[in-house]
Amino acid sequence: EAQVTQNPRYLITVTGKKLTVTCSQNMNHEYMSWYRQDPGLGLRQIYYSMNVEVTDKGDVPEGYKVSRKEKRNFPLILESPSPNQTSLYFCASSQGLAGYEQYFGPGTRLTVT
Amino acid sequence: AQSVTQPDIHITVSEGASLELRCNYSYGATPYLFWYVQSPGQGLQLLLKYFSGDTLVQGIKGFEAEFKRSQSSFNLRKPSVHWSDAAEYFCAANDYKLSFGAGTTVTVRA
Repeated sequence: EAQVTQNPRYLITVTGKKLTVTCSQNMNHEYMSWYRQDPGLGLRQIYYSMNVEVTDKGDVPEGYKVSRKEKRNFPLILESPSPNQTSLYFCASSQGLAGYEQYFGPGTRLTVT
Repeated sequence: AQSVTQPDIHITVSEGASLELRCNYSYGATPYLFWYVQSPGQGLQLLLKYFSGDTLVQGIKGFEAEFKRSQSSFNLRKPSVHWSDAAEYFCAANDYKLSFGAGTTVTVRA
């Protein structure tokens, strides 16, 4: 089954404790991205990757890191989480950027206290 | 700056009634346009997309959308709403970058 998986689905952590949210897709997609969803703001892009070893900032990259060492994986790293990073996070993948359907993971609910 | 606007934050509709969700975009040229649906606790699923050509686009689950270049709009419609249509709906647009509207929450009352 074609899918994007994220782990964990729910995470509660404390300020400053490094964490990683994993994302994996099995569709051989070249384009992957991370979004955060906040009430009233819709989805805002954090980082995206056009291919292995190629990543770039989205609209709200501060406080986040990513890496793309393999085509299928695109982890999101919060090296020192803060309460304003409490949000719902989605990973997505697609064959390309312009005009292609984005396939979304189920989301990761992160709470930073 | 490129943007997507969904003017309605929340819409309540009776089961069986028609539904229309509004979306306006601000781009230099007509972008690719999408509607996604997010059911409670789920990721986003594509309902339909517009690239070019016919201004009325058919999607899944009985939804359709009408593209109007003169109004920079891409409104989503469904003739008869089912209780399972209660969800959050996002309009999105892209050329070299994908942008989402803030979303419209649809509540369906019996």
